[in-house]
Amino acid sequence: DVKVTQSSRYLVKRTGEKVFLECVQDMDHENMFWYRQDPGLGLRLIYFSYDVKMKEKGDIPEGYSVSREKKERFSLILESASTNQTSMYLCASTDSDLYNEQFFGPGTRLTVL
Amino acid sequence: AQSVTQPDIHITVSEGASLELRCNYSYGATPYLFWYVQSPGQGLQLLLKYFSGDTLVQGIKGFEAEFKRSQSSFNLRKPSVHWSDAAEYFCAVGAHEVDMRFGAGTRLTVKP
Repeated sequence: DVKVTQSSRYLVKRTGEKVFLECVQDMDHENMFWYRQDPGLGLRLIYFSYDVKMKEKGDIPEGYSVSREKKERFSLILESASTNQTSMYLCASTDSDLYNEQFFGPGTRLTVL
Repeated sequence: AQSVTQPDIHITVSEGASLELRCNYSYGATPYLFWYVQSPGQGLQLLLKYFSGDTLVQGIKGFEAEFKRSQSSFNLRKPSVHWSDAAEYFCAVGAHEVDMRFGAGTRLTVKP
């Protein structure tokens, strides 16, 4: 089974802190994604990566950056956390051959105080 | 640009009753369609997907969905709901890996 893990289930940070959210997948997938999930808005794509060291902006990249130094790991970085970044963050991965079927991690619920 | 609408934010059904969750999409071509389920505190799990062919798609956990091109719909159904089906359900549409759009979700409550 594909497994996508996220470093923390719950995280509490203060405004202005630099925050790292880590995601690891064990199925050698090329593509990895970071989504933000908010009530009534569904999932919105922040960034995605289709290869090591490659990244592309999604729909809401402002205030975020990403890093993919190894194929299995995709990090989301909040350079200076703000209260409006309080949300659930979901990581996903997909093999191009599976054409869009994304495998999700359990999510990280981030609270910024 | 494509979009997905799930008209029902919250649905309550009795255990054993049938279920239909609605999904409408807007897309310029025939899309790839998905239903995901998210149990409390969990990530999303794929229930079923439609790419082409038979418009009635069977998924896991006894769910099925029907693609109706004329109505731009992809409704999810289950003939008899179990208490463990209580979760949030997301419809998604996309043409390739980075073109996916998710609906806002429908939260299902199951009454005993």
